[in-house]
Amino acid sequence: QVQLQQSGLGLVKPSQTLSLTCAISGDSVSSNSAAWNWIRQSPSRGLEWLGRTYYRSKWSTDYAVSVKSRIIINPDTSKNQFSLQLNSVTPEDTAVYYCVRQGWYFDYWGQGTLVTVSS
Amino acid sequence: DIVMTQSPDSLAVSLGERATINCKSSQSVLYSSDNKNYLAWYQQKPGQPPKLLIYWASTRESGVPDRFSGSGSGTDFTLTISSLQAEDVAVYYCHQYYTTPLTFGQGTRLEIK
Repeated sequence: QVQLQQSGLGLVKPSQTLSLTCAISGDSVSSNSAAWNWIRQSPSRGLEWLGRTYYRSKWSTDYAVSVKSRIIINPDTSKNQFSLQLNSVTPEDTAVYYCVRQGWYFDYWGQGTLVTVSS
Repeated sequence: DIVMTQSPDSLAVSLGERATINCKSSQSVLYSSDNKNYLAWYQQKPGQPPKLLIYWASTRESGVPDRFSGSGSGTDFTLTISSLQAEDVAVYYCHQYYTTPLTFGQGTRLEIK
């Protein structure tokens, strides 16, 4: 059974960097058949896909255009986890953030982390 | 981007009655090479992440009650709950995984009448 355990700070100041980590059990971040995603949810934006990392002979990432200039998703094979870094946050980045495994569709979700951007 | 539009935004149905939620994509999510619709449905209850119900438009996820069914092809899809139970109160989302950016519908809130 795949489990995703999220960690990271829930309060970030405007202009600073949001950082979250997702620890994987029951699968490998280096799997050739999975992708590892970050999705956020807010009342104003609904469910918004932010990006993903995956390994298919080499590491690749895809990012949503809306955050492409500010986002980094990195795998950490030594700890079997992946991370989200979102730079230069504003109050509009306030949301519940989820890490999610994708085979074809999203099948396993982390518990969610409410991140509030406020001074 | 593929825009997913659900209807209605909210729905109230009596216990034991049928609930129907529609989802329309702005372009086809049917992949011709494998004849599969890259469309999934999720259920979300307060304080929980979305839960996968249906994938490939009509395949029920393991453990999902058979009162849940999905249908449709191309751009028009339906989630049907054949006999509403109290535990089905939730928000339901459709999602296309045909292409990036991966997108979701705005959600349909299902309540008991």
